[in-house]
This record gives sequence, C-alpha cells and structure tokens, in this order.
Amino acid sequence: EAGVTQFPSHSVIEKGQTVTLRCDPISGHDNLYWYRRVMGKEIKFLLHFVKESKQDESGMPNNRFLAERTGGTYSTLKVQPAELEDSGVYFCASSRGLAGGGNEQFFGPGTRLTVL
Amino acid sequence: GNSVTQMEGPVTLSEEAFLTINCTYTATGYPSLFWYVQYPGEGLQLLLKATKADDKGSNKGFEATYRKETTSFHLEKGSVQVSDSAVYFCALRRGGYSTLTFGKGTMLLVSP
Repeated sequence: EAGVTQFPSHSVIEKGQTVTLRCDPISGHDNLYWYRRVMGKEIKFLLHFVKESKQDESGMPNNRFLAERTGGTYSTLKVQPAELEDSGVYFCASSRGLAGGGNEQFFGPGTRLTVL
Repeated sequence: GNSVTQMEGPVTLSEEAFLTINCTYTATGYPSLFWYVQYPGEGLQLLLKATKADDKGSNKGFEATYRKETTSFHLEKGSVQVSDSAVYFCALRRGGYSTLTFGKGTMLLVSP
C-alpha cells in the first residue's frame, strides 16, 4: 500500500508569487489533514477534510491560503500571494474513518517551501 | 488552550547511551499522547502512544508513560543506536477531536 505522497518536495519562490502544493492520501482514507512547521517552531494544524468537505479550517492563517479536495481524493493547498513568513515545511496526513478521532494519522514527507 | 513543551535539542549521545527526551503538556479534558519520529528525508511516523493515565507506550525499544499528575510523557530508551538519529515530536490529541497538537521537536544525534 502506497503511503501519503506530497509534491513537490521543495519549492523556492519569490514573494508575491503563487505556489500550489499537492497531497495524495492513502487510498481509502476519508480524512486528510494539512499541517505546517515554520523553522524552529511547532508543527501546527491548518485544516482537516472529511472526504471533500472541510471539517475544520480553524488553523488556516489567513485568506491567502486556499485548500481544496475535489472528489475527496487528492488535495491542493494554494498560497497566493506568498509572503516571507509562509516559508516552512507543509505536511499532509491521512487517516481512515469518517469520524476521524482515534485513528492513526499517516504523514507524508512534507513540502519544504522557501519564499525569498 | 492545548500545548506541548519538549526539551530543546539537539541531543547528542554516543551509541548505547541512555536517552531521555522530556515532554510536558497542557490540555483540557483527557488527551491521548503520542511520540512521532521523523527520519531524514521521510515523513513523520508514529513511534508510540498512550491513551489514558498510567498507560505505557512502547515500540522499538522506546518507552513513554502517561503521567497525569505531572502532565508528562517523557521518551526513554535504554541504549540508543546510530539509526535512532532523527527528530522526535511529542504530540497530544484531545478526546473527541482528531487534530494533533505538537511540540517543537527534538533532534537526536547518535554517534558511533
């Protein structure tokens, strides 16, 4: 069974540009999560999808971030326009079950975003 | 709110040394507690977990005991190996919720 995959592994962009990160969860996992780790800080929750619906987006920092999960399969996270403070590692995770709670989250390797 | 505090790194040890990485938490209710590990170039992997007070999670020689009275979940291993070099994250999940709250991570470097 393939794990959670993320693309790209690294992205370097200029301030003001747009970047789109992609996450492919484990097949059959209804729950998909985005987290972010800014250098030297905690890994912080961004949002949670159950299938194609946003269950919780309380961690999204501002309206420059847009997450989608069309068809309940892969998800994209778009940052537009990117700012310097958006630099960090963006992790995606997925888990089984509709309720979400109690099921192990499997993480992808992360996308390292650098905004210059 | 919920938070996790873990010791600053890097922690540098020689092979076969004893490891302790401290983790304390603040949370409402009765959270589940986790240790995740990130090896170089890989994603986070669940290392061990405990879901209630006094539970001990263990895996690959690592152990951690859920201590409600001290709100702690310290990670220990009796004899580390070079292959244990990684970043270790302590995390909690509140009951009834699915999102994880992480600490800042502790890098462990083990030399031969």
